[in-house]
Amino acid sequence: EAGVTQSPTHLIKTRGQQATLRCSPISGHTSVYWYQQALGLGLQFLLWYDEGEERNRGNFPPRFSGRQFPNYSSELNVNALELEDSALYLCASSPQDDNEQFFGPGTRLTVL
Amino acid sequence: QQQVKQSPQSLIVQKGGISIINCAYENTAFDYFPWYQQFPGKGPALLIAIRPDVSEKKEGRFTISFNKSAKQFSLHIMDSQPGDSATYFCAASIEGYGNKLVFGAGTILRVKS
Repeated sequence: EAGVTQSPTHLIKTRGQQATLRCSPISGHTSVYWYQQALGLGLQFLLWYDEGEERNRGNFPPRFSGRQFPNYSSELNVNALELEDSALYLCASSPQDDNEQFFGPGTRLTVL
Repeated sequence: QQQVKQSPQSLIVQKGGISIINCAYENTAFDYFPWYQQFPGKGPALLIAIRPDVSEKKEGRFTISFNKSAKQFSLHIMDSQPGDSATYFCAASIEGYGNKLVFGAGTILRVKS
């Protein structure tokens, strides 16, 4: 069974630009979560999507947004990039009615 | 109240030894406690998880001990191997559909051969 996949692996942007990160959940999983893993800050919850809707968001500004598509894949958009947005962005998925979250390999975003 | 405090920050253990990582939480509503293992350049992998209706759960060389009254839980890695060298994260959430994981800061484990 294929795991959670994310693309791209690495992304380099400059301040003020927009970044788009993509995630495909494990087949059969309907929930997608996004986490930010910044150096020295651990994993911070960003967003949760299920059945195409944003269900919960963490303590991040509105320039962090996303969506979930009918096939349950998801996209994270970060607008007006700032240097401190440089981090590993992790996507996780879970089956419906289950809290076990399985992570993808992440997208390393570097903002110059 | 949402924090999970993890210690130690780093740990060096001899091959064959026992690695112990501890976590403490404040929010008594937390009722799902997973541990994740992360290798450099990889995403975290779910290792083992426990719910507060049991005090211990064992899977192979990995054991979670849970103390509900002290609001603490720990990971024990028996017979530690160099391949166990990784960063370990404890986490907590409220059991149920779609609840976010609150992570500890992580422990970098190095097993010396």
